[in-house]
Amino acid sequence: DAGVTQSPTHLIKTRGQQVTLRCSPKSGHDTVSWYQQALGQGPQFIFQYYEEEERQRGNFPDRFSGHQFPNYSSELNVNALLLGDSALYLCASSLWNSPLHFGNGTRLTVT
Amino acid sequence: GIQVEQSPPDLILQEGANSTLRCNFSDSVNNLQWFHQNPWGQLINLFYIPSGTKQNGRLSATTVATERYSLLYISSSQTTDSGVYFCAVEKSSGNTGKLIFGQGTTLQVKP
Repeated sequence: DAGVTQSPTHLIKTRGQQVTLRCSPKSGHDTVSWYQQALGQGPQFIFQYYEEEERQRGNFPDRFSGHQFPNYSSELNVNALLLGDSALYLCASSLWNSPLHFGNGTRLTVT
Repeated sequence: GIQVEQSPPDLILQEGANSTLRCNFSDSVNNLQWFHQNPWGQLINLFYIPSGTKQNGRLSATTVATERYSLLYISSSQTTDSGVYFCAVEKSSGNTGKLIFGQGTTLQVKP
């Protein structure tokens, strides 16, 4: 039973570019949440997708957008990258009212 | 918003020692989870414990919801226990995936 899988594992981008990160949820899960973890900090909630719609959003600008597909997989898109967007991006999947399960993350470096 | 404070921020143990990590939160919560983040960044769900006590091998956790704190006990620590331990809470009813994380406790277990 595969857990949450994320791709790519590492990514280097230049300021101003756009990036797309991908997540496949744990088998049987229908909800995907995205988190940003800066170095030395705890993860911060970006947004959550359920039934292909954004259900909740944290305090992140519109440059951060996402999508959920009919097979429950999800993408996180970040436009106009800033140096401060360098972080570990974590995807978590769950069912309603059940614990979150996290993937290994994508480490994004913006130069 | 809800505040989550973890203590101590750093902890160094000799292999075989026991430890207690604490998580205080500023408001009532309906969800509390403990996670272990290994040196490769993977967040592993240890406990889903909005109240009461649970045990899993050498680890146990207790949440006293009325007093707004949770404790994670690690007994007979091993070098593989090293990493960062996060407490995360959610205020909403049900598990909607919008967790608020503490800053973490960094644990180093020496052989």
